[in-house]
Amino acid sequence: NFMLTQPHSVSESPGKTVTISCTRSSDSIASHYVQWYQQRPGSVPTTVIYEDNQRPSGVPDRFSGSIDSSSNSASLTISGLKTEDEADYYCQSYDNINREVFGTGTKVIVL
Amino acid sequence: QLQLQESGPGLVKPSVTLSLTCTVSGGSIRSNNYYWGWIRQPPGKGLEWIGSIHYSGITYYNPSLKSRLTISVDTSNNQFSLNLSSVTAADAAVYYCARLVKLGHHFDYWGQGTLVTVSS
Repeated sequence: NFMLTQPHSVSESPGKTVTISCTRSSDSIASHYVQWYQQRPGSVPTTVIYEDNQRPSGVPDRFSGSIDSSSNSASLTISGLKTEDEADYYCQSYDNINREVFGTGTKVIVL
Repeated sequence: QLQLQESGPGLVKPSVTLSLTCTVSGGSIRSNNYYWGWIRQPPGKGLEWIGSIHYSGITYYNPSLKSRLTISVDTSNNQFSLNLSSVTAADAAVYYCARLVKLGHHFDYWGQGTLVTVSS
């Protein structure tokens, strides 16, 4: 079993940059792709990053993803923060026993 | 445009089996490329992967639910289903069905979700 741990919340002002971490508890973060989902209040989750750093069409380039093997974590960075970015964000990855795992979720608050 | 729609009872009694169906439209469930999954979200809480199925019938289950869970596929009706037995209040959640691009990849299309309440 492994877990993906995220900060409970992050907050920043419009126009600034926020970074959300997703730390994998065991096995290398690089061993399987990491995805990121945005879930606005009352809405269905949508993919903002897949395969560590790929953006689906329609997702602005203000959203970027990366992985850091030294901290065994993935990160989602939102630059030029907008009020519409206020949402919950979840990372997701996989393990060698064919199990999908979601992160604990992070609430992004735009001040 | 692919669409997924969950259906099933919104209220179930404790100890019974919860049955939900996901109907896929705008595309075929019979694709070697994709898997089909169930995810749930208790009110005010995070997402939990329940399990995934390939149209061939191969299934992958969350170990924490495996003893109570059956996911099946009906290719003739372009549907897949979830049966969760012996439900308790802890199973109350919004249940989503979704398409999984590949194992270990992302869920790219989601249903709107259906709220399931567990109460006598």
